[in-house]
Formats: sequence, C-alpha cells, structure tokens
Amino acid sequence: DTGVSQNPRHKITKRGQNVTFRCDPISEHNRLYWYRQTLGQGPEFLTYFQNEAQLEKSRLLSDRFSAERPKGSFSTLEIQRTEQGDSAMYLCASSLGEPNTEAFFGQGTRLTVV
Amino acid sequence: AQSVAQPEDQVNVAEGNPLTVKCTYSVSGNPYLFWYVQYPNRGLQFLLKYITGDNLVKGSYGFEAEFNKSQTSFHLKKPSALVSDSALYFCAVNYGNMLTFGGGTRLMVKP
Repeated sequence: DTGVSQNPRHKITKRGQNVTFRCDPISEHNRLYWYRQTLGQGPEFLTYFQNEAQLEKSRLLSDRFSAERPKGSFSTLEIQRTEQGDSAMYLCASSLGEPNTEAFFGQGTRLTVV
Repeated sequence: AQSVAQPEDQVNVAEGNPLTVKCTYSVSGNPYLFWYVQYPNRGLQFLLKYITGDNLVKGSYGFEAEFNKSQTSFHLKKPSALVSDSALYFCAVNYGNMLTFGGGTRLMVKP
C-alpha cells in the first residue's frame, strides 16, 4: 500500500494523559500536513512540514500540541495533558509541495478522551 | 485570509437525477480549488481540482465542477447520481501553504 498511513486508527485515553500519533506519508512527498476534524465539520489545519522543517502552525495548535518530522519522512503528533475537547479525528496528509497539487489523506486517528 | 462556504448541509437527490453540490470561496488572487469526498470511517479522497484554464473540470467517478470567477463559485456536479455517491463532500481552497475546507455537504442519493 503506497498511500498515507496513520497509526493507531483509534485511541481512547483518560483526561490528563499524553498521546502520540504517527503518520507515514507517501514516500516521494515532501510536504506533510496535520488536520483536525470534529463530527460534522470540515477539517481544520493544524500544522505542516516541508521535509523536516515545520513551517506553519495554526493558532488552534496550543502549547500542549507538538509535531515532529525528524528525518523528513514519518511524522508524529503528540498531545500532552489531554482534555475532553481534544476528542476528534486527526488527519494526516501529504503532497508534492506545490499549492496546485492535491493532498492525499490518511484514514485518520480517532481520539476519544474520557 | 481565504474561506470556503458550502451553503447546504445536505442535498437529497433521486438515483439517476443530476446533482449539484454548491461551493463559494473568498480569496485574494487566483485560487486553487479542490473537491474531496469522505465515506464513513474513511479519510478524504481527492475528486478533482481547478488550477487554471477550462472552467469545467472533470474528475473521478463521473464528477465534474464548474469554476465561475465572477460568482466566486466552484459547484460540483454529476449528470446522473448513484446510490453509491452518498457521502460527505468537501470543497477546499489552497492559497499559500494549506488547504482551507468548507463545512461539508452530505449527499443522500435515494433509490
């Protein structure tokens, strides 16, 4: 499978715990994006990487959120001290990098904070 | 800042009838516009895009979209709907370095 892969697919955690999600993009794609989607809403941009450099972060990304792409390949998104409001689907996407190229999305990680 | 509006939360259409899912955008300069579809428990799948040139863009699964610069619209269309087209559809604009999505429109195609 050469698509975008996200793990885990589902995560249930207790409030206050830390969680980490992984995204493996399409191998030749140099851009990687993280989005958050709540039920019935469109995806909201969180952050993106050009190779290993994190170039833009949304104001939605509080200081409890951190993302890395250490070698310009896979990426991780960590949420510290989770809150119930963090419950959402977290989507990863990758693209070739030009604004006119389409992004390919993974199936997402559904986070439930109890 | 760019924005996208999808004025209909849900569109209902009978199988075999034509369908239209509406999208309007707001962006300074020339937009790159996209349509994605999302099936239950699945990620977003790319349908089609407008970059430049012909205002009618053809995409996957028989879908097409019409770009109208004066009305700042990019409506998704299909001549004959299938029950399997029932899903959540998102319009998006890429201006700068990220996609900005509309709120989505649920398409229900009834047999």
